[in-house]
Amino acid sequence: TQLLEQSPQFLSIQEGENLTVYCNSSSVFSSLQWYRQEPGEGPVLLVTVVTGGEVKKLKRLTFQFGDARKDSSLHITAAQPGDTGLYLCAGKYNQGGKLIFGQGTELSVKP
Amino acid sequence: KAGVTQTPRYLIKTRGQQVTLSCSPISGHRSVSWYQQTPGQGLQFLFEYFSETQRNKGNFPGRFSGRQFSNSRSEMNVSTLELGDSALYLCASSWGGEETQYFGPGTRLLVL
Repeated sequence: TQLLEQSPQFLSIQEGENLTVYCNSSSVFSSLQWYRQEPGEGPVLLVTVVTGGEVKKLKRLTFQFGDARKDSSLHITAAQPGDTGLYLCAGKYNQGGKLIFGQGTELSVKP
Repeated sequence: KAGVTQTPRYLIKTRGQQVTLSCSPISGHRSVSWYQQTPGQGLQFLFEYFSETQRNKGNFPGRFSGRQFSNSRSEMNVSTLELGDSALYLCASSWGGEETQYFGPGTRLLVL
């Protein structure tokens, strides 16, 4: 079974703090995606990374793909209450394969 | 452009019944994937349809089935419902399957 481990599962922080969410696997990804899901809605894609070592920035969010393409991280700088939600990483182990999701990180940012 | 729509949004069934969920993809998208989301197991892939053919399948029992119509709309059926089938069922569409998937809001199914 191909597993995608995400940590931490829950994170409660104050507005203005920084945080990092991790996504790890023992297998190599062909591509990896990060999603954000709010209550009552489906996940919304934030970013896709495909190259080992790749770093992408989306405003205060920084996404990094590991050199070996087995892990990824999402770093949020100066978190705001609007960042609250469920963050999911999802990877494909081969093109045309199914998307495997991590368990998710439930983030709560308190004002 | 309208997003992915799913109907119904909420559903309550009893054990042993069967249920059909519907998904209308974004216009022009030919790939539709279905996922089950539960607090314990997270988001799990059920199956993917492309041009009316099942192209990928997850590890779910045969009680879970689906189909896709010529207009790319898709339905998912679960027969002989069990309590453990209570979940949020999400569908996602994309043009060909490899590109960005756009998720619908989901159908929340409660089995009593």
